[in-house]
Order: sequence, then structure tokens, then C-alpha cells
Amino acid sequence: AQTVTQSQPEMSVQEAETVTLSCTYDTSESDYYLFWYKQPPSRQMILVIRQEAYKQQNATENRFSVNFQKAAKSFSLKISDSQLGDAAMYFCAYFYTGNQFYFGTGTSLTVIP
Amino acid sequence: DGGITQSPKYLFRKEGQNVTLSCEQNLNHDAMYWYRQDPGQGLRLIYYSQIVNDFQKGDIAEGYSVSREKKESFPLTVTSAQKNPTAFYLCASSMRGAGTQYFGPGTRLTVL
Repeated sequence: AQTVTQSQPEMSVQEAETVTLSCTYDTSESDYYLFWYKQPPSRQMILVIRQEAYKQQNATENRFSVNFQKAAKSFSLKISDSQLGDAAMYFCAYFYTGNQFYFGTGTSLTVIP
Repeated sequence: DGGITQSPKYLFRKEGQNVTLSCEQNLNHDAMYWYRQDPGQGLRLIYYSQIVNDFQKGDIAEGYSVSREKKESFPLTVTSAQKNPTAFYLCASSMRGAGTQYFGPGTRLTVL
């Protein structure tokens, strides 16, 4: 069974600094998708970044980038130049075509002014 | 504008009552999903549907029911059999097989 593990329940970062959120997953598949979602206090789930497993190049979206280590089944999110608006719950998710999504338990990020 | 709408935003239910949460999308997505989120927890899958008139149980389907009569609509009924229904409910949709899920704003259900 697929599982997604986020081992950091809470993280904090100084404004303008860089923070990395960790995620590991378990799968026997070779072709799948990985995601990071952000859930601010409004509770709206917002897609941050997406990675296709067949792509070796790490995905980037402005200040957000991932470190995808397929062999290690690791998918960390790096937030650069952290802003107050980045404060939120962050969820790592796994999807295999034709199957359901699997979410981690989330990491609560605090940004310190 | 394309998107997913959920209504109502807040819902109060008396014990023993069934309630239905609405989810509508105009993204032309094939697949739709219902999740439950409890305080400080992740998302747990209730039901999902990949095509009209077909749906599958997720991890916590007991006490819930769904229908998928139209591509754009996937209502969730919380029945009186659900013993602890107070939670935040999120609806999502995606292109079938494409991966990325897009979420609605959620419904907060409280049992009085």
C-alpha cells in the first residue's frame, strides 16, 4: 500500500530565509506523480508544485522548488525568501494513475517576522 | 471563471438527521473526490468517482453516501449512521489519469 510520511509536524523560518519541508513515500510503481499543497488559515487547498516521477529534473515554481530523489523515495519542498504569506499547513501527496491520492499528515509552517 | 464550488460554507445538523453537501465543478473534469479533514489532521478519502454513474469507496466511507448523475456534480450525503460527522469536508476534481487535484473551498459541518 502506498503511504506518504511527513516527519515534521511543525517548522518555523525567519522571514526572507529558506526552509525545507520533508516528505517520504512508499510505492512499488515507477510512474507516478507527487505534489505539495498549501492550506492557509482559510483552509482552501492550493497546489504549490507538481513532479512527474519519470522526469529527472526537479520542478520549480518561483520561490518553491523540490528535491526529488526517486531511489530514496524522498520529495522535499524548499521555500526560498520566505514571506509571511507562506505561513500555512503544507501537505505532500502521491498519485498513481487510476488510483487515489494519498496525503501526508501535514507540516505546519510558521514564518517569523 | 472555472472552478469548484461547495455549498454551504457552514452547516449545522441535529443528531439523527441526514444532510447533503453540494459540490459542483465547471472544469470539465472526469474525476471527483470527497475528503474529510479533522483538526490538526490530514485528508482522508471518503468517496471518489472517475466517471458518471460510477463511484468507489475510500478509506472512511461508512456513514456516507454519494451520487454522480452528472459530470459536474458530486453531492455527499452524511447520514445518521455517521457517528462523529463534525469535521471539515473538501471536494476536489481532476482530469482522469492526469493527477493534479483542484479543491473547492470546503464545508464546515457541525453536529449540535
